[in-house]
Amino acid sequence: SQKIEQNSEALNIQEGKTATLTCNYTNYSPAYLQWYRQDPGRGPVFLLLIRENEKEKRKERLKVTFDTTLKQSLFHITASQPADSATYLCALGGASGTYKYIFGTGTRLKVLA
Amino acid sequence: DGGITQSPKYLFRKEGQNVTLSCEQNLNHDAMYWYRQDPGQGLRLIYYSQIVNDFQKGDIAEGYSVSREKKESFPLTVTSAQKNPTAFYLCASTLGGGAETQYFGPGTRLLVL
Repeated sequence: SQKIEQNSEALNIQEGKTATLTCNYTNYSPAYLQWYRQDPGRGPVFLLLIRENEKEKRKERLKVTFDTTLKQSLFHITASQPADSATYLCALGGASGTYKYIFGTGTRLKVLA
Repeated sequence: DGGITQSPKYLFRKEGQNVTLSCEQNLNHDAMYWYRQDPGQGLRLIYYSQIVNDFQKGDIAEGYSVSREKKESFPLTVTSAQKNPTAFYLCASTLGGGAETQYFGPGTRLLVL
């Protein structure tokens, strides 16, 4: 069955360091991969999308890589700040033209001042 | 302001009762989605609709029903057949299908009395 895995344990890092979150998937051939941020008790907010033919995407302090051979995406936040503390979700979509998305369980990031 | 609204923020259900969660969007989006989120888990798709008067079951549709009579509205009914309804419910929309950003509402937390 289709499966997405993200680090279930929380990631704690010091302010100013680079946070790296991992998203691995199996039994799926996505056309694209998305990353979302979710704060406690709120809906997810879209951050970045990367397509299957793209290796890397950047937006300000955020960088996403996508390796369809390894079936893995890495999400980096450089110069991390306490305000970056949240849960980050990856989502796969676009397989066979479907409207459906599959979400990972999310990784909780805490940036320590 | 454009966006998605969900109501109520909190909802309490008694045994054997059907309850309806509201989702409205003014983004002129064609597709709308309902997800369920349990603690420490990712988002699981309940139902989605690509156009008005059409909807498809997601991965966990049992015990739920939806309607899509208007483009801007996609209400979700949690029926008495759903034996474990306590969760955080999220509504989302996309402009169309494929490589689209999902815009999420603020969520409704359903609790069983």
